[in-house]
Amino acid sequence: GDSVTQMEGPVTLSEEAFLTINCTYTATGYPSLFWYVQYPGEGLQLLLKATKADDKGSNKGFEATYRKETTSFHLEKGSVQVSDSAVYFCAPSSSASKIIFGSGTRLSIRP
Amino acid sequence: GAGVSQSPSNKVTEKGKDVELRCDPISGHTALYWYRQSLGQGLEFLIYFQGNSAPDKSGLPSDRFSAERTGGSVSTLTIQRTQQEDSAVYLCASSLGQPPSSYEQYFGPGTRLTVT
Repeated sequence: GDSVTQMEGPVTLSEEAFLTINCTYTATGYPSLFWYVQYPGEGLQLLLKATKADDKGSNKGFEATYRKETTSFHLEKGSVQVSDSAVYFCAPSSSASKIIFGSGTRLSIRP
Repeated sequence: GAGVSQSPSNKVTEKGKDVELRCDPISGHTALYWYRQSLGQGLEFLIYFQGNSAPDKSGLPSDRFSAERTGGSVSTLTIQRTQQEDSAVYLCASSLGQPPSSYEQYFGPGTRLTVT
């Protein structure tokens, strides 16, 4: 069945550091790929998405590229800010009923 | 436009009582999902609706849990004879439910359930 594996947290970085959160998946066919973010005290919201191979999703300085050959969708940001502290979830989706959320990676950014 | 709304935002109940949690999805979204998020944990899928039918109930933890959706809109998640392990944040999400990029889910703020 479909599954997703993402980097375990917590991840602690200093402000302006480079961020990578790894995500790999197994899925039937060619899923759409999503990263969701949950800021402290807030609900989940979509951060970015990619719907086909080699697409790059981007938002708020974050990027992730749909890599079909490695079945990966790693999240990156060149210079993190304190306001990026949150929990990040990778979520591949092969159909409306199959949206698998990763276990979440807690990110803390030190000023 | 209005997002997904859930009520109540907080619910404290005694062990053994029944509770009902409500979700109002975004208008026009045919797909609706319930998840559970325990403290510090990821999302646990509970049930998925397409319209009023639930093709996937595989995540419901026990027969104490049930859900319905009426008019292709509002959904209610009912937990009977609540137990302390039911304490969690219950999240509802909706989506257009059509491929490909419309699998994007919009989440409500959640209902925090505490069973004492």
